[in-house]
Amino acid sequence: DAKTTQPPSMDCAEGRAANLPCNHSTISGNEYVYWYRQIHSQGPQYIIHGLKNNETNEMASLIITEDRKSSTLILPHATLRDTAVYYCIVRDYGGSQGNLIFGKGTKLSVKP
Amino acid sequence: ETGVTQTPRHLVMGMTNKKSLKCEQHLGHNAMYWYKQSAKKPLELMFVYNFKEQTENNSVPSRFSPECPNSSHLFLHLHTLQPEDSALYLCASSQPSWGHGNYGYTFGSGTRLTVV
Repeated sequence: DAKTTQPPSMDCAEGRAANLPCNHSTISGNEYVYWYRQIHSQGPQYIIHGLKNNETNEMASLIITEDRKSSTLILPHATLRDTAVYYCIVRDYGGSQGNLIFGKGTKLSVKP
Repeated sequence: ETGVTQTPRHLVMGMTNKKSLKCEQHLGHNAMYWYKQSAKKPLELMFVYNFKEQTENNSVPSRFSPECPNSSHLFLHLHTLQPEDSALYLCASSQPSWGHGNYGYTFGSGTRLTVV
């Protein structure tokens, strides 16, 4: 079972920042937080991942709370092409628990 | 292109047919995966291969038979499927599934399977 809770849907205006929340209150010390997105009928695409420090790359920023029980994915300037289902996944480092297990995700709709 | 290629993109098969899905990656990864995505349901992990050896089978019915002849190729052989097996079948690859090496999994575009 997925170990994360995300809102089922969100809207965002084009050009504005999209902030997607994720709760992972049972995360353990050796679990990373990964974010993927899936544009309609395509394969999921890796966005970013982190352990406890905030991370930024060319696609997004990941803010993880100090207690690591929640995180926020930030798309700084959302475009229509960012409309997709966004998945927050916690993944164990090491051992057989390292597989990516997807939940229902958040459907982000970016509107003009 | 993601570096993971799946063929065919679309497949329609009868319940008595035998068909195969193919996945190929040229990313130097040593782990490969099959996922199933039914309409309005989350992705379900089906099989995991590490260094050509099957390391996980998530209670998948025997009418789905995976094959991994080398680290670059993965097949899913299908026989006597049911209409409820209609779904998007996704292949992914990564460094070994117990590590965090190369930023997680790279997915193909999937095969849309319809069983009639």
